[in-house]
Amino acid sequence: GAGVSQSPRYKVAKRGQDVALRCDPISGHVSLFWYQQALGQGPEFLTYFQNEAQLDKSGLPSDRFFAERPEGSVSTLKIQRTQQEDSAVYLCASSLSGRETQYFGPGTRLLVL
Amino acid sequence: GQNIDQPTEMTATEGAIVQINCTYQTSGFNGLFWYQQHAGEAPTFLSYNVLDGLEEKGRFSSFLSRSKGYSYLLLKELQMKDSASYLCAVRGTSGTYKYIFGTGTRLKVLA
Repeated sequence: GAGVSQSPRYKVAKRGQDVALRCDPISGHVSLFWYQQALGQGPEFLTYFQNEAQLDKSGLPSDRFFAERPEGSVSTLKIQRTQQEDSAVYLCASSLSGRETQYFGPGTRLLVL
Repeated sequence: GQNIDQPTEMTATEGAIVQINCTYQTSGFNGLFWYQQHAGEAPTFLSYNVLDGLEEKGRFSSFLSRSKGYSYLLLKELQMKDSASYLCAVRGTSGTYKYIFGTGTRLKVLA
């Protein structure tokens, strides 16, 4: 079946621009996670949703980062007033329930100039 | 604090066996995962250990010792396509099930 999909795959933004990154989880998966992966590093947790409820946003680096999942399916990660340090790959993962294995999308590679 | 350590790079020869180690110190433990990530692609799930011992899955095996905070991923009969990064991740006991990842081990398989 279809896996996790993310769009866009690549995004170039000028510093100060707002960006929106989309994640389509595997159908029926209740849990959705966002991670940030810097070059040569492992992914770092940003935020977690169970259905439409954002249960943990402790990893969001600043109040410029905002995530939503209004209908409990598709999720959007928004970054306002992008900075160069926001350049990274943003990975989305979903799992059937929180306890199950997470399945990752291909990521959105964000470059802020 | 939370810390997961794995070697940055390893090199091995096609057909050989390689062991990638991972040590962890986390506040709570609820499973250890190994993922494979080719450059520019999604991490793909390889294995999961929650109890001590060895889990075998074809050419891949993973071992866990909770008392030592230690795991390894064993890859047998290496193939060129195994050249990738291997990520060790620990799931904590907080209610959010988030993973804490190591920096990944970049494996190069040489002909």
